[in-house]
Amino acid sequence: NAGVTQTPKFRVLKTGQSMTLLCAQDMNHEYMYWYRQDPGMGLRLIHYSVGEGTTAKGEVPDGYNVSRLKKQNFLLGLESAAPSQTSVYFCASSYRLAGGRDTQYFGPGTRLTVL
Amino acid sequence: AQTVTQSQPEMSVQEAETVTLSCTYDTSESDYYLFWYKQPPSRQMILVIRQEAYKQQNATENRFSVNFQKAAKSFSLKISDSQLGDAAMYFCAYRRGYQLIWGAGTKLIIKP
Repeated sequence: NAGVTQTPKFRVLKTGQSMTLLCAQDMNHEYMYWYRQDPGMGLRLIHYSVGEGTTAKGEVPDGYNVSRLKKQNFLLGLESAAPSQTSVYFCASSYRLAGGRDTQYFGPGTRLTVL
Repeated sequence: AQTVTQSQPEMSVQEAETVTLSCTYDTSESDYYLFWYKQPPSRQMILVIRQEAYKQQNATENRFSVNFQKAAKSFSLKISDSQLGDAAMYFCAYRRGYQLIWGAGTKLIIKP
C-alpha cells in the first residue's frame, strides 16, 4: 500500500518552461489536493478536486492548472513557469466525510526550482 | 477570515521531558476541526492528532495530547517523554470547508 505518491521528487525549470506534476493515491479517496509550501509559511491550497472529472480553485490558483481524469490521479500543470513558483509542492488525499471530518494524507513532496 | 497563529518559531526540549507547542486560531464558526501535523527532515507531512470542536474532551494519541480551549480559541500540543525522533517542524491547521488553513510552524529541537 503506497499511499500518496508524487512524481518527480525534484525538478529544475527555466523561466517560461512548462511541466506537469503527477500525484497518485491507492486509497480510493474521493478528495485530492495540491498545496505549495514556502519558507516560513504553512501550506497554501492551490487547487482541489472532490471527485473524478471535477476541480476547483483554492487560495493561490494563479499560474497553475489541474486535471482529475482518473479517481486515483491528480495532475498539477505549470504552463509558463516563473521564479515565484519556486516552492515545495505537496499532494494530499482524503475520504469524503461530511462536515470536514476527513483527514488528509500527504505525499512526500516535490521540490521545484525555477531559474 | 480564518487565521492560524503559531507564536513560537522554535522550541527546544531535553530528551524525556515534556514540551508544549502553542497554536491560536480565529474563526466565527462553532463546529470545526483542528489538526497537528509533523514534518520531519524527510519532508513528509504526518498527522499527529486531530480535535473536533464539538467534543469537550481533549484528544490524545500515546505521548501526544492537546489542550483545546474553545472559548480562548487555543489548541496547544503537549509532547510527553520527548524522543529524538520527535525532532521536526510541527504545524497546526484549521479545517475550513475543503481547505486546511495552516500556521507557519514551530521547529522542535530535542536535546540528547
